[in-house]
Amino acid sequence: AQSVSQHNHHVILSEAASLELGCNYSYGGTVNLFWYVQYPGQHLQLLLKYFSGDPLVKGIKGFEAEFIKSKFSFNLRKPSVQWSDTAEYFCAVNPRGGSYIPTFGRGTSLIVHP
Amino acid sequence: KAGVTQTPRYLIKTRGQQVTLSCSPISGHRSVSWYQQTPGQGLQFLFEYFSETQRNKGNFPGRFSGRQFSNSRSEMNVSTLELGDSALYLCASSLGVGGESYEQYFGPGTRLTVT
Repeated sequence: AQSVSQHNHHVILSEAASLELGCNYSYGGTVNLFWYVQYPGQHLQLLLKYFSGDPLVKGIKGFEAEFIKSKFSFNLRKPSVQWSDTAEYFCAVNPRGGSYIPTFGRGTSLIVHP
Repeated sequence: KAGVTQTPRYLIKTRGQQVTLSCSPISGHRSVSWYQQTPGQGLQFLFEYFSETQRNKGNFPGRFSGRQFSNSRSEMNVSTLELGDSALYLCASSLGVGGESYEQYFGPGTRLTVT
């Protein structure tokens, strides 16, 4: 069965620090990859997505992620976090074609101190 | 464009009862997926409907069922509720069927508490 692993469950940073959240998945076929964000009191929003092409994708609010196929990874990065980035971040993997069972990671809680 | 809407937002039920949750997708979206979110298991896929047909199903018992109407609105039903069914149930809509390259838009969820 496919799985998604987010290595950091809780991350605490100060404003202006750099952020990298790890995401690894296990699935043998082609996938679409997503990062979602859930701000306090709000619903899940798409941060960025990878379908094909350039493995370095840019999303909203200065976030970017890099798909490394050989490592089955899709890590999220931001060079300088802000207090408003405090949220829960979820990595998701959607298999393409065949049996479609989208799988989410357990999430990473990010707290940014001003 | 209005986002995905879910009703009701909060629900309290007793063990053994059944419940129906409703989801209205973004206008023009034909795919609706349902997820269960709990602190213990995280976000888990329940099923997906596209053009009134269940296209994919996650690993949940038959007590969890759903349907989709011709206007793409979807309902999810849980029969014989158990305490472990307490969760946030999320609905997501998409232009195309799962497995193709479309993004999903999530609703605010229905918080179900089973006592």
